[in-house]
Amino acid sequence: ETGVTQSPTHLIKTRGQQVTLRCSSQSGHNTVSWYQQALGQGPQFIFQYYREEENGRGNFPPRFSGLQFPNYSSELNVNALELDDSALYLCASSKDRANTGELFFGEGSRLTVL
Amino acid sequence: RKEVEQDPGPFNVPEGATVAFNCTYSNSASQSFFWYRQDCRKEPKLLMSVYSSGNEDGRFTAQLNRASQYISLLIRDSKLSDSATYLCVVNGGLGQAGTALIFGKGTTLSVSS
Repeated sequence: ETGVTQSPTHLIKTRGQQVTLRCSSQSGHNTVSWYQQALGQGPQFIFQYYREEENGRGNFPPRFSGLQFPNYSSELNVNALELDDSALYLCASSKDRANTGELFFGEGSRLTVL
Repeated sequence: RKEVEQDPGPFNVPEGATVAFNCTYSNSASQSFFWYRQDCRKEPKLLMSVYSSGNEDGRFTAQLNRASQYISLLIRDSKLSDSATYLCVVNGGLGQAGTALIFGKGTTLSVSS
């Protein structure tokens, strides 16, 4: 196990609703990245947080937002859910924001939007 | 052009075969390169980093050609347990992505007995 934990593991929402996903990073890691993985695709970068500040963002609309807390845990919030938001959401932590080393992933939160 | 492009799969090979995966990346400023492995319905895990001089880890060999912006992974003597999706990963995203790790779509390998 990597030490990165995510919750919830599975959830079902309806279009227009809002969701919050949570992630606890591995001990000693100050950088958290979030990825969306649709079926049959590679993980798509959403954003990265370093010491409570957003430190890079992928091509996702503003309704995808996040937070990082002083203990380096993190949340991903998605507003106004759409059917295409159905995916596995992966959280990963690392020791450095430059991502020169290994990313440690949690097992993911599988979101289904109906 | 996609930031990281991989061979389309799937690759279906018998045990003992040698298989090669190719990957190209678009950002010439990228500095770190990796291969990750993802088992079905599991999270990605680091398989190996890729260095400019090329590197080997047992049956796995990774190569990097910066001039061509090309990365490869060679698996020798394939085992049933090698069946998985292999993800090419590059850091140094374009524009506002900063130094995030960017993943390719992945190439699926199925090794049969």
